[in-house]
Amino acid sequence: KAGVTQTPRYLIKTRGQQVTLSCSPISGHRSVSWYQQTPGQGLQFLFEYFSETQRNKGNFPGRFSGRQFSNSRSEMNVSTLELGDSALYLCASRLQGLGSYNEQFFGPGTRLTVL
Amino acid sequence: GQNIDQPTEMTATEGAIVQINCTYQTSGFNGLFWYQQHAGEAPTFLSYNVLDGLEEKGRFSSFLSRSKGYSYLLLKELQMKDSASYLCALNTDKLIFGTGTRLQVFP
Repeated sequence: KAGVTQTPRYLIKTRGQQVTLSCSPISGHRSVSWYQQTPGQGLQFLFEYFSETQRNKGNFPGRFSGRQFSNSRSEMNVSTLELGDSALYLCASRLQGLGSYNEQFFGPGTRLTVL
Repeated sequence: GQNIDQPTEMTATEGAIVQINCTYQTSGFNGLFWYQQHAGEAPTFLSYNVLDGLEEKGRFSSFLSRSKGYSYLLLKELQMKDSASYLCALNTDKLIFGTGTRLQVFP
């Protein structure tokens, strides 16, 4: 079974630009969550999508948004990039939504650098 | 809200046993995850505790005490490949991670 895939793996942008990251979950998984990982803050929850609906959102500004398609693939978008947005962005998929016990599988991440 | 604390760094010797602690303050959660993350890689699942007590899985064991707000991950017979960051996470309507413990295993 193929794992969670994320594209692109690496990205360099400049301040003020916007970026779209993509995540394809494991086949059959309906829940996709996004996380931001930085050395100072660790892994922080961005949002979760389940059956094309955003079910939960972390404490991030409105510049961070996402969506999920009918095939469960998900995208996240960051507009008006800031230097502090430089991070590893991880997505994770699971069979059911957060709160239930299902192992969550992480993708390899997208390393975003904002110059 | 939730607050999760882990030691930032730990060191140990190959073949030894190490215990990585995780303390938390939360109003409620479904269970507690432990993940391993090697540098530059994605976190991988190690264990999930719902009930109080010890869950053993090979060289790795995880313990949970809800009344004490405390969990630990026990790694036995340490190997060099166990050098990684170890993350505990509370399973609520979101997954809340601690900042992680970076473990270095020396020969």
